[in-house]
Amino acid sequence: ILNVEQSPQSLHVQEGDSTNFTCSFPSSNFYALHWYRWETAKSPEALFVMTLNGDEKKKGRISATLNTKEGYSYLYIKGSQPEDSATYLCALTSGTYKYIFGTGTRLKVLA
Amino acid sequence: NAGVTQTPKFQVLKTGQSMTLQCAQDMNHNSMYWYRQDPGMGLRLIYYSASEGTTDKGEVPNGYNVSRLNKREFSLRLESAAPSQTSVYFCASSQGGGRTAGELFFGEGSRLTVL
Repeated sequence: ILNVEQSPQSLHVQEGDSTNFTCSFPSSNFYALHWYRWETAKSPEALFVMTLNGDEKKKGRISATLNTKEGYSYLYIKGSQPEDSATYLCALTSGTYKYIFGTGTRLKVLA
Repeated sequence: NAGVTQTPKFQVLKTGQSMTLQCAQDMNHNSMYWYRQDPGMGLRLIYYSASEGTTDKGEVPNGYNVSRLNKREFSLRLESAAPSQTSVYFCASSQGGGRTAGELFFGEGSRLTVL
């Protein structure tokens, strides 16, 4: 079973701070790396899908990078706002139709 | 736009009772999934269906059965519920899989409590 690890488990930052999280995965059998944003009492929503080594994606103040050779992806949030408070999940797809999720990083942005 | 619809949203069962969670998507997606979410465990895959007529086990299939009724619908059945199956269940769908796996679209979740 593939192991997708995320760090840190939780994070508190002040409004306006920039922050980043890590998703680590086995570098072999890699097909795609997904990032999802999961607000409390809602469903996860996709942020990015990345497939190529060196991929960089950006959506507003949130961006992500991918290193498939060493098996990690970073998610960055610039100038965090209270509405960024959520759990951020990464998921790996590899060779089958399965999406394997990490346990997430819970972000709390303090006003 | 409905997307992925799950029913029921809440259910309380007694140990040994059976029930079926229903899921339907209107995006013409080929692949459908059932996950459970437990504190500290993230989303764990129970079963998935790559296409109509096929189903496969995920990480935690024991105690569950699934049916891919047609391209739109994918149901999850608990034949004899146990307290360990108390969880929040999410149905999801996507277009493609493997190298062509697109983003997952999730339903709103079904909170199940087994007493």
